[in-house]
Amino acid sequence: AQKVTQAQTEISVVEKEDVTLDCVYETRDTTYYLFWYKQPPSGELVFLIRRNSFDEQNEISGRYSWNFQKSTSSFNFTITASQVVDSAVYFCALSEEGANNLFFGTGTRLTVIP
Amino acid sequence: GAVVSQHPSWVICKSGTSVKIECRSLDFQATTMFWYRQFPKQSLMLMATSNEGSKATYEQGVEKDKFLINHASLTLSTLTVTSAHPEDSSFYICSANRDRYQPQHFGDGTRLSIL
Repeated sequence: AQKVTQAQTEISVVEKEDVTLDCVYETRDTTYYLFWYKQPPSGELVFLIRRNSFDEQNEISGRYSWNFQKSTSSFNFTITASQVVDSAVYFCALSEEGANNLFFGTGTRLTVIP
Repeated sequence: GAVVSQHPSWVICKSGTSVKIECRSLDFQATTMFWYRQFPKQSLMLMATSNEGSKATYEQGVEKDKFLINHASLTLSTLTVTSAHPEDSSFYICSANRDRYQPQHFGDGTRLSIL
């Protein structure tokens, strides 16, 4: 069975600090996709990244970076030099091969304090 | 810009009313759309997979007679909450992707409040 765990329920940081959001997943499939979505207070879900299970390269996009480690079944998300606009709930999600739907973690609420 | 549009964004209605929520893919055809439900401060839970031209696939525990899904065209899926009650109050959000190899894009969600 698939499972996505985001152990950090809430995190608060001061603006300009770096912050890492943890995501640990479980799946029996060898082919799967991992995602991060951002949900600001307005409610919409914003797609941030998708990673397939065969691509363990870390990715950087501006202030965002992702660390995918199959050995520990983790797909962590780091925001560098956080800004107030980064305040949101961040969801990690998993999609298995042959399935098109997403299994979401419980989310991490990030608050960036000015 | 948004690629998935959801309407309405906010609904308040009396208990016993049926409420229809629309989900449209704006610039692509989606043979499959997904409906999720999110309770306050909780995660998104998949309710059902909407299949164009055929019956929706419901997740375990979701009442298909309560949550009617119609996917009449390649760009539109509707979710109707029938005879809504206060416990149906929630945030409903749909998603779609161009194909199974593309990431899902989400609508802005619908906040449903049943009085």
